[in-house]
Amino acid sequence: KAGVTQTPRYLIKTRGQQVTLSCSPISGHRSVSWYQQTPGQGLQFLFEYFSETQRNKGNFPGRFSGRQFSNSRSEMNVSTLELGDSALYLCASSLRLAGVRETQYFGPGTRLLVL
Amino acid sequence: TQLLEQSPQFLSIQEGENLTVYCNSSSVFSSLQWYRQEPGEGPVLLVTVVTGGEVKKLKRLTFQFGDARKDSSLHITAAQPGDTGLYLCAGAITGGTSYGKLTFGQGTILTVHP
Repeated sequence: KAGVTQTPRYLIKTRGQQVTLSCSPISGHRSVSWYQQTPGQGLQFLFEYFSETQRNKGNFPGRFSGRQFSNSRSEMNVSTLELGDSALYLCASSLRLAGVRETQYFGPGTRLLVL
Repeated sequence: TQLLEQSPQFLSIQEGENLTVYCNSSSVFSSLQWYRQEPGEGPVLLVTVVTGGEVKKLKRLTFQFGDARKDSSLHITAAQPGDTGLYLCAGAITGGTSYGKLTFGQGTILTVHP
């Protein structure tokens, strides 16, 4: 079974621009979570999508948004990029079965550099 | 707010030595996962522990979940250079508004010298 895939792997943008990152979960997985990883803050939760709806959100500004499609693929968007948005953006998928303590499987990440 | 304190932050040892990484919290977690991450790549799952007091072994790696499900440890026996990497613990709470969210420790950068 193929793992979580993320595209693109690398991106360079300038301040003020916007960016869209894509994530395809493991086949059959219905939940996609997004994380930001920086050297200073470590891995921080952005949001989770399940059944095309955002179910949980971390403490990030409204410039960070996302969506999920009917095939469970997800995108996240960052508008009006700031230098501090430079990070490795990771998505993770899980089955999302009710009452089950689930494991999240991560993709390779998208490295975003904002100049 | 759930927090996970992971220690030590850095570990530099010689091949063949043993080591332990700790993950502690004041919060109770439904499960705890350990990941290993290489530079520029995503975290790779090592193990998930779900029962208080649970011990799992993966070759030279031993994982333990505390009885109260607030802490966990990773012990590596006879470390090898191939064990070098960033080790992350992550706690999950099942249900409610916590679904889909992992709370991560700060990570332990392990370097094993030949």
